[in-house]
Amino acid sequence: EAGVAQSPRYKIIEKRQSVAFWCNPISGHATLYWYQQILGQGPKLLIQFQNNGVVDDSQLPKDRFSAERLKGVDSTLKIQPAKLEDSAVYLCASSLESRGRQFFGPGTRLTVL
Amino acid sequence: QKEVEQNSGPLSVPEGAIASLNCTYSDRGSQSFFWYRQYSGKSPELIMFIYSNGDKEDGRFTAQLNKASQYVSLLIRDSQPSDSATYLCAVNTNAGKSTFGDGTTLTVKP
Repeated sequence: EAGVAQSPRYKIIEKRQSVAFWCNPISGHATLYWYQQILGQGPKLLIQFQNNGVVDDSQLPKDRFSAERLKGVDSTLKIQPAKLEDSAVYLCASSLESRGRQFFGPGTRLTVL
Repeated sequence: QKEVEQNSGPLSVPEGAIASLNCTYSDRGSQSFFWYRQYSGKSPELIMFIYSNGDKEDGRFTAQLNKASQYVSLLIRDSQPSDSATYLCAVNTNAGKSTFGDGTTLTVKP
């Protein structure tokens, strides 16, 4: 069974630039999560999708972050414009249903200079 | 108060000892509880999950849940150097919202 795929694995940008991350969840998984993990901290939920609907985006900085999940499968997370404090690992995870175990992708390490 | 709290550690135990990791949560509506292991530079991977009060054992790992005290723990018996990692406690509410603690870093010394 293929795991959660993410790209790119690494990204370096300058502040005020924009960046986009892509995630392909495990086939058949209805729930998709985007997390931000800053060094030394646990994953912080940015947005949770159930199929292509948003379940929770209460911690998504909506003035600069946006996410979509078209057709209930792949998802993209965008930051525009980036700030220094956005430097983190962005993790995508998926699960069969919203209360189940989550499977994580390898993450994208973002550095904002 | 954080929604999910863990002792940040670091926790250091000798090889072969029992490591005890603790987690408390604030939402009484929480229904499912997970322990993930995260090696440095890697993504979290599931170790254990528990839904009901009591103990759940899987090999060297035992998860314990006490909903009245809003407390969940992970015991690792016969700790090995390969168990050295950060252990993340995750809690899902009945609505399916997922919250992680900041993790406890465990070091097992040979």
